[in-house]
Amino acid sequence: DAGVIQSPRHEVTEMGQEVTLRCKPISGHNSLFWYRQTMMRGLELLIYFNNNVPIDDSGMPEDRFSAKMPNASFSTLKIQPSEPRDSAVYFCASSFGGRMAKNIQYFGAGTRLSVL
Amino acid sequence: GQSLEQPSEVTAVEGAIVQINCTYQTSGFYGLSWYQQHDGGAPTFLSYNALDGLEETGRFSSFLSRSDSYGYLLLQELQMKDSASYFCAVRDAAGGKLIFGQGTELSVKP
Repeated sequence: DAGVIQSPRHEVTEMGQEVTLRCKPISGHNSLFWYRQTMMRGLELLIYFNNNVPIDDSGMPEDRFSAKMPNASFSTLKIQPSEPRDSAVYFCASSFGGRMAKNIQYFGAGTRLSVL
Repeated sequence: GQSLEQPSEVTAVEGAIVQINCTYQTSGFYGLSWYQQHDGGAPTFLSYNALDGLEETGRFSSFLSRSDSYGYLLLQELQMKDSASYFCAVRDAAGGKLIFGQGTELSVKP
């Protein structure tokens, strides 16, 4: 398996623009997670899905952020409008199985977002 | 809620043994996990403890004491490539998501 695939790897945009990050989880995994990582705040969970259904979006910063998972093999994280403080590395991760297996998450390579 | 504490940085020399501690507070416990992240890379799973005791995986071992809400990651025969950040993580009370510590940056010196 190719692992969790994220695109783009790097994104540079101007403040006010819409940004869409994409993620393809590992086939057969039923949970998908979006994280944001910065030096100041560390690794923060934004939202996670279980069987394509959003379960917990309490980490989504504000209404400018939205996430969808239309099917088991694809998810998007959208920021509209983007702001400089959104600059960070965004990771997607997936996991499968029951209670024990959920401790093991497989991360994508991340998208490094810079908002100018 | 859940919270984890781990040292921000640790320095050791090549060939040595280093221990990275993690204390946690959580309502409900579903195990303690460890992840490694090299600079510019993605976190990768290292180890997981659900029960008390030591789990060994090659040069890495992880220990858990549930009564003390404490665990550690032990790295033996340190190599330069072990220089990375190490995160401990617990699952939340509902058991669905991982809560990560702030990470420990390990620097291995020659």
